[in-house]
Amino acid sequence: AQTVTQSQPEMSVQEAETVTLSCTYDTSESNYYLFWYKQPPSRQMILVIRQEAYKQQNATENRFSVNFQKAAKSFSLKISDSQLGDTAMYFCAFMSWNTGNQFYFGTGTSLTVIP
Amino acid sequence: DAGVIQSPRHEVTEMGQEVTLRCKPISGHNSLFWYRQTMMRGLELLIYFNNNVPIDDSGMPEDRFSAKMPNASFSTLKIQPSEPRDSAVYFCASAPGTQSSYEQYFGPGTRLTVT
Repeated sequence: AQTVTQSQPEMSVQEAETVTLSCTYDTSESNYYLFWYKQPPSRQMILVIRQEAYKQQNATENRFSVNFQKAAKSFSLKISDSQLGDTAMYFCAFMSWNTGNQFYFGTGTSLTVIP
Repeated sequence: DAGVIQSPRHEVTEMGQEVTLRCKPISGHNSLFWYRQTMMRGLELLIYFNNNVPIDDSGMPEDRFSAKMPNASFSTLKIQPSEPRDSAVYFCASAPGTQSSYEQYFGPGTRLTVT
C-alpha cells in the first residue's frame, strides 16, 4: 500500500519569509507522480505543483518549488516570499498508474502566514 | 470551463433521512472521485469511477452509502439512512485519466450536517 506522511500538523511563517513543508511517502513503485494541493479557508482544493518521479529536475511554479529526493522518498514544498493568501492547509499526494489512478493524500499541514 | 460542479453546497438533514449529493465533472474527464473530509479522519477516498465504471469502492464506509455514475457528466453519492457521524464535507473530483494528464480537479464540496 502507498502511504503519505506529513509530520508537521501546523506551521507558521512571517510574511515575505520562506517556509518548507515536509512530505515523505512509501512505495515500491518506480514510476509515480507527486502533488501538493492547497486548501484555503474557502475549502476549495487547488493544485499547487506536481512532480513526475522520472524527472530529476525539481518542479517550480512561481514562488512554489519542490525538493524531490527519490531515494529518500521525500517531497518537500518550499514557499518563497510568503503572502497572506498562502494561509491554508497543504496536502501532499501520491499517484501511480500501476495501482490505479487514485490519489493517496497525507494528513495535511496547516500553514499560517503572519503579517 | 466551469470546473467540477457540486450540489448542494450545504445540506442540513435529520438523522434517518436520505441524502443525495450530486456532481458534474469537467467535460472530457474520464475519472471521477468521491472524497469525505473530517477533522478526525482527514481526506478519505470513498469511491472512484473510470469511464463511468466503479473501480474501487473499498472506501465506502458501509452499506448506507452508495454511488452511481449513469453517464459521463453526472454522478451521485447517496446516504440512506443518514447518521450524525456522516457529517462532513464531501468532495467530488475529476481527472482526464490519461498518461499525460492525470491531476485531479476538485469541486467546491458539499458540507453535510446530520442532526
